[in-house]
Amino acid sequence: EPEVTQTPSHQVTQMGQEVILRCVPISNHLYFYWYRQILGQKVEFLVSFYNNEISEKSEIFDDQFSVERPDGSNFTLKIRSTKLEDSAMYFCASSEGGLGANQPQHFGDGTRLSIL
Amino acid sequence: AQSVAQPEDQVNVAEGNPLTVKCTYSVSGNPYLFWYVQYPNRGLQFLLKYITGDNLVKGSYGFEAEFNKSQTSFHLKKPSALVSDSALYFCAVRDRNTGFQKLVFGTGTRLLVSP
Repeated sequence: EPEVTQTPSHQVTQMGQEVILRCVPISNHLYFYWYRQILGQKVEFLVSFYNNEISEKSEIFDDQFSVERPDGSNFTLKIRSTKLEDSAMYFCASSEGGLGANQPQHFGDGTRLSIL
Repeated sequence: AQSVAQPEDQVNVAEGNPLTVKCTYSVSGNPYLFWYVQYPNRGLQFLLKYITGDNLVKGSYGFEAEFNKSQTSFHLKKPSALVSDSALYFCAVRDRNTGFQKLVFGTGTRLLVSP
């Protein structure tokens, strides 16, 4: 069964440094997402991406965050200047279909980001 | 605004017994509802969804869920629990009327199935 893959599985970064989290969504999917889960808390939506642009973003997704689909397969999340509170598990997800579709989102195994 | 409540942090059940994990939701329009399971150090794995039609939906690994519009609930059930069902379960909702794709998750319920 096709899977969403994320690299690296664990990223340790100094506060203030830039970090890029990478994802390869399922190949025929059209919608891409990033979520995060701070330890012990709920999974929170960050951003959705469709047709090479952001379709929705949350309040968490401020100017320090950006997303990109640099080629036909990768989907990246960049945090420009990391803060301690950015430490979390970051999940990439993808789904079929266009706006309003009812398809489930399929998640990767996540990247654990630790900010020192 | 959408929200999901999972009132139990943990549910304990003996193997072979039926299990229920509770979920209630709030949306301004009509909901799409989902259940996901998370095993240690893994991502969220899709179990089942309610879109429309029959209120009882069946999903992976013998799980099912019942949509109740009047009670705004979508409880996850399984007739006979397995030890391997022990995991963290998340309910999620999406408001179909907004056209937005984001999922709003509950806080999760840890299911512990004892042998």
